[in-house]
Amino acid sequence: EIVLTQSPGTLSLSPGERATLSCRASQTINSRYLAWYQQKPGQAPRLLIYGASSRATGIPDRFSGSGSGTDFTLTISRLEPEDFAVYYCQQYGGSPLFAFGPGTKVDIK
Amino acid sequence: EVQLVESGGDLIQPGGSLRLSCAASGFTISSHYMTWVRQAPGKGLEWVSTIYSAGSTYYADSVKGRFTISRDNAKNTVYFQMNSLRADDTAIYYCARVHSYSSFDYWGQGALVTVSS
Repeated sequence: EIVLTQSPGTLSLSPGERATLSCRASQTINSRYLAWYQQKPGQAPRLLIYGASSRATGIPDRFSGSGSGTDFTLTISRLEPEDFAVYYCQQYGGSPLFAFGPGTKVDIK
Repeated sequence: EVQLVESGGDLIQPGGSLRLSCAASGFTISSHYMTWVRQAPGKGLEWVSTIYSAGSTYYADSVKGRFTISRDNAKNTVYFQMNSLRADDTAIYYCARVHSYSSFDYWGQGALVTVSS
């Protein structure tokens, strides 16, 4: 079973700062099958990044993804007020078929 | 415009059954994998089931044998039959479209299922 771990659990930053979120897999995964989502309270998740580094349609370029093997990173270059939310990584292809990490909450410092 | 609209969420007693529907528009479900993801109150996201375009179905261990995903291509609707419901099935259930075989690009607004006596 592939387990995703995200760190930190909470990231307290100010608008304009850079956010670096980590997602680590318990075993090597194909980077084509690693995605990131943003979820705000009361809303459905929104796809940000797929294939580890490809931005989904309409996602601003301040969001970027990188990584390979077991270590992946989501970077928000300059936090905007609307970016304070919970972020999840997700993988496909292991057991279970899809799996999410526990999430990182980015809140206002 | 792609839209997914879930319905069927309700308050149900433990041991009961419920069927969720996910009506799709703006695309054809028969050409896509479709998925259900749930989120318990105050918790993270949990994948629960996927149906491939060819009809293969997959389930999380937590629901295997109790829940069934299906689709009606003529109605462009995905269903989720949930039997033997337990308190720990209480969650918002989201329907989502699978993108590039591996991620979820469109989501519905969610259907709340509460299992309680």
